[in-house]
Amino acid sequence: GDSVTQMEGPVTLSEEAFLTINCTYTATGYPSLFWYVQYPGEGLQLLLKATKADDKGSNKGFEATYRKETTSFHLEKGSVQVSDSAVYFCALSEGYGGATNKLIFGTGTLLAVQP
Amino acid sequence: DTGVSQDPRHKITKRGQNVTFRCDPISEHNRLYWYRQTLGQGPEFLTYFQNEAQLEKSRLLSDRFSAERPKGSFSTLEIQRTEQGDSAMYLCASLSLAQASYEQYFGPGTRLTVT
Repeated sequence: GDSVTQMEGPVTLSEEAFLTINCTYTATGYPSLFWYVQYPGEGLQLLLKATKADDKGSNKGFEATYRKETTSFHLEKGSVQVSDSAVYFCALSEGYGGATNKLIFGTGTLLAVQP
Repeated sequence: DTGVSQDPRHKITKRGQNVTFRCDPISEHNRLYWYRQTLGQGPEFLTYFQNEAQLEKSRLLSDRFSAERPKGSFSTLEIQRTEQGDSAMYLCASLSLAQASYEQYFGPGTRLTVT
C-alpha cells in the first residue's frame, strides 16, 4: 500500500541554519503531498502542499518540491528560527474527488532550534 | 468558520470503561475523518464519513470501536471496554469536496489515557 518515509529526528540546529527534512513516498497513483506541523501543545496545521509533479509548495519560508522521478518531497528552509521548533509530518493522499482522500503520514521529525 | 472542534480535550478512564468523543467539523464540510496518533508516531487513519455515510474503516478499528455521523454534521467515536493500548490522541479532520484542494482541517484532538 501507499506509504511515507521521513528522516528520523530529532534534528537540532542553531538559529539561522539551513534545514532539510527528507521525505520519500510510495504510491500507486498520483498523490497529493503535504507537510504538516505540530507545535508544542497544539494541533496539526497544514504547512504546505503540492498536488502534481514539479509543483513547489511554500509557506513561511519553507519550501518543498514534488519530485516524481525520485518520489520525494523534501522540506527545506534557508534560515530557521527558534519559533520553528516543532514536529514536522510528511503526508500523502489521493488527490482526486473520487478517492477517499485519507492522509497517510510519516512518523514525524522533531526539529529543535537553539538560539 | 470556527474550525474543527473536539470534545473533550482530555479523557482519563479506567480499563474496561466505555468512552465517547465528539467532533464538530467546519460547517458544510461533507467529509469527516478520524485518526489516531500514538506517542512518537504520525496519525493513522481510522475511518471517514461522507455526509452521514461511513465509507471506509481501517483494520485498526476493532469491533470495540464505533463511529457515527447521524445527520451529516457532528460525529461521535465510541470505544467500548477500553484497553491500555487505546491510550492515544484521537484526531478529527474535515474536508469540503467543493474545494479543489481537498485539504483536511484538523481539530485539536482528544487525548485518551486508559489506566
